[in-house]
Amino acid sequence: AQSVTQLGSHVSVSEGALVLLRCNYSSSVPPYLFWYVQYPNQGLQLLLKYTSAATLVKGINGFEAEFKKSETSFHLTKPSAHMSDAAEYFCAVSRAGYSTLTFGKGTMLLVSP
Amino acid sequence: DAEITQSPRHKITETGRQVTLACHQTWNHNNMFWYRQDLGHGLRLIHYSYGVQDTNKGEVSDGYSVSRSNTEDLPLTLESAASSQTSVYFCASKGAGASDTQYFGPGTRLTVL
Repeated sequence: AQSVTQLGSHVSVSEGALVLLRCNYSSSVPPYLFWYVQYPNQGLQLLLKYTSAATLVKGINGFEAEFKKSETSFHLTKPSAHMSDAAEYFCAVSRAGYSTLTFGKGTMLLVSP
Repeated sequence: DAEITQSPRHKITETGRQVTLACHQTWNHNNMFWYRQDLGHGLRLIHYSYGVQDTNKGEVSDGYSVSRSNTEDLPLTLESAASSQTSVYFCASKGAGASDTQYFGPGTRLTVL
């Protein structure tokens, strides 16, 4: 069975500050890992994904995430927050041979001026 | 451009009524999924399909059904709507690989009175 834990249902940062959203996963086999973003009243949009190539993955809008097997983590970062980054972020896990995703409960990112 | 659409975008119904939510994708993906999103729960998988005539139960399938008669469509039916089924419903589709991206529709907000 797979599971995802996102630490912190809400994270607040100031504009220009570092963004760090935490994701830990549980998987009995090597995972595929995804970060999605959801803006208000919209569907989910892929930010980036880890598919067992490079452990540091770069995504859209300046976000990146690093796969750390020893820590079973896939934290999302952005060096400098923008007001437009305010949204809900979801981490998800899948694995070879399966097409279903297991999602974390989401982290709402709040950006203040 | 390929896309995934859902209709209606908003629906209000009464307890006990049958409701069908439509999902249509032009990606030509075999894999399609239905999720519900509720505060504090993230996205939970209701049903999924790996191809025509294939359907599978997800984590929260009770009270819901799907059918797949063609590649493009996966309608979700609530046989007898309950207030606990008030939620936002998302449809998604993806290609065959486990690491392929899931693409999401814009969602349907369903209220059961």
